[in-house]
Amino acid sequence: QQPVQSPQAVILREGEDAVINCSSSKALYSVHWYRQKHGEAPVFLMILLKGGEQKGHDKISASFNEKKQQSSLYLTASQLSYSGTYFCGTGSNNAGNMLTFGGGTRLMVKP
Amino acid sequence: EAQVTQNPRYLITVTGKKLTVTCSQNMNHEYMSWYRQDPGLGLRQIYYSMNVEVTDKGDVPEGYKVSRKEKRNFPLILESPSPNQTSLYFCASSPRLAETYNEQFFGPGTRLTVL
Repeated sequence: QQPVQSPQAVILREGEDAVINCSSSKALYSVHWYRQKHGEAPVFLMILLKGGEQKGHDKISASFNEKKQQSSLYLTASQLSYSGTYFCGTGSNNAGNMLTFGGGTRLMVKP
Repeated sequence: EAQVTQNPRYLITVTGKKLTVTCSQNMNHEYMSWYRQDPGLGLRQIYYSMNVEVTDKGDVPEGYKVSRKEKRNFPLILESPSPNQTSLYFCASSPRLAETYNEQFFGPGTRLTVL
């Protein structure tokens, strides 16, 4: 079953913050975040593994709460280049084989 | 340049006419996978391969076949395409380490229309 992402879409002004949530009905081992710009392939952002860690680089970070089977992606002081569709992918085992992606969150950053 | 390539990039075909979408990676990755992308449904995994001659079904394998005879290639075969297979298809590859997930590198996508 696909994880559920929320919100489905969000519009921001440059410099504003956003949070994208990813929730699964299954126990999770890992959560992967990707960003896809219009007409392009998805591009990897980060992976979070079981252990409840938080990761980040630049102004994009993420958390993983394995007990709640949820992950959140935090975009701070958004830039125009952050626009795109964000996908979370969830893995339920450590075999590293199957990923199940959510339906995506469309983010638009305006000047 | 490290990359995943797919061919063709665009294809319009008719119901029932067999087709193959090729995927090739030059990064010596063990893991390869096919996804289809439809509006509102995100990326859904069709098939994946952990290594040569090892393939397994993803979430939506019906109507598709794959093979992995060489490490670098992972073609997607539609033996009798139907209109509900009209979609954007992505191939992806990843190095595989035991008990560790890795970043997947996606190809540019193939837009398929079945009439």
